[in-house]
Amino acid sequence: GQQLNQSPQSMFIQEGEDVSMNCTSSSIFNTWLWYKQDPGEGPVLLIALYKAGELTSNGRLTAQFGITRKDSFLNISASIPSDVGIYFCAGSFTGTASKLTFGTGTRLQVTL
Amino acid sequence: DVKVTQSSRYLVKRTGEKVFLECVQDMDHENMFWYRQDPGLGLRLIYFSYDVKMKEKGDIPEGYSVSREKKERFSLILESASTNQTSMYLCASSLFLSPLHFGNGTRLTVT
Repeated sequence: GQQLNQSPQSMFIQEGEDVSMNCTSSSIFNTWLWYKQDPGEGPVLLIALYKAGELTSNGRLTAQFGITRKDSFLNISASIPSDVGIYFCAGSFTGTASKLTFGTGTRLQVTL
Repeated sequence: DVKVTQSSRYLVKRTGEKVFLECVQDMDHENMFWYRQDPGLGLRLIYFSYDVKMKEKGDIPEGYSVSREKKERFSLILESASTNQTSMYLCASSLFLSPLHFGNGTRLTVT
């Protein structure tokens, strides 16, 4: 199956800094999802996007559905230590979960 | 909140053993999925099911089978475990056209 290009692969940031990560695809999608996975746990849904250009926030997290429908961005403002984890993007053209393509993840580490 | 429960967090099995990974969800979701997660490869879909007794192959079904006898339960079966099946296995469920909800994963080691 296809994989999304997610960048950066990893990042070290200081507490209080803002974080940006993105996913790009060679195909257009109708749905973009962002998940976070804590060490030893399963991924947890952060934000779901269903419309090109859509900008959605969840607390300090903001995600955008790119207008080309081939990319999506996730921003975290004022990072805190519990933001540590792996962030995955996932995209689907059909909207059905069985056709979901996942990115390889961005590992975020936050230093005090 | 949706709860997806995987019966084991860690399993160690020997090559050639038959291995069962169990998953239960409590939200009456039609869809259930099994993924494996490996470093650098992301999440790859093994099998999914849209309904009881129905199953569909995902991207990497070889060496695996599944069973869904009840709506809330989806089992992944490794008929004869091999070392290349050492991985993190994630179960997920969803309603139609809705995002996936994942369990906490089973880390399987085959020696």
